[in-house]
Amino acid sequence: GQNIDQPTEMTATEGAIVQINCTYQTSGFNGLFWYQQHAGEAPTFLSYNVLDGLEEKGRFSSFLSRSKGYSYLLLKELQMKDSASYLCAVKDSNYQLIWGAGTKLIIKP
Amino acid sequence: GAVVSQHPSWVICKSGTSVKIECRSLDFQATTMFWYRQFPKQSLMLMATSNEGSKATYEQGVEKDKFLINHASLTLSTLTVTSAHPEDSSFYICSASKLAGESGEQFFGPGTRLTVL
Repeated sequence: GQNIDQPTEMTATEGAIVQINCTYQTSGFNGLFWYQQHAGEAPTFLSYNVLDGLEEKGRFSSFLSRSKGYSYLLLKELQMKDSASYLCAVKDSNYQLIWGAGTKLIIKP
Repeated sequence: GAVVSQHPSWVICKSGTSVKIECRSLDFQATTMFWYRQFPKQSLMLMATSNEGSKATYEQGVEKDKFLINHASLTLSTLTVTSAHPEDSSFYICSASKLAGESGEQFFGPGTRLTVL
């Protein structure tokens, strides 16, 4: 079967750095997405990785290792508004998005 | 930009009635639109994928006669929940892709919260 694993919940301090991991087992791979979802709202796009390596975009970076079936989202200089769920999603060989359950990130002052 | 709107943002209805949710791509043509359902504290669950002018492709376990999807134009898709029951209460989210087929980033609408009494 296809599976996306990410931690259920993480807690971090304002101003700090946090890394949210995602491991996947899918039938084929055509890219990995990270989305942010605030409670009661729809997801918003953060990043897309299709090749190995690190993609940096401001305070957020995303890393991919296809051989390990592993990705992480790195958030720097955490702000209270970063409190949200972070969803990892992988496109399989049929270009269908397989979604992880999401990681709820709690930021404390 | 790539803005997707949904209407209504929330709806409360009586059991047995039908509810229509609209999804529009406001500033681009969406060749493919996706409908998701999300229960509290759970991940997004893809219900169906629709391409303009053709029948929607439903995911396993999703009743196509209960969840009617119409993708009549490149900017509009509708989801009709027929004979709604309390267990259909959920957060329904649509997304749209600019490119044909399933490749490309999905842009999400703000979601519609359905409560069936």
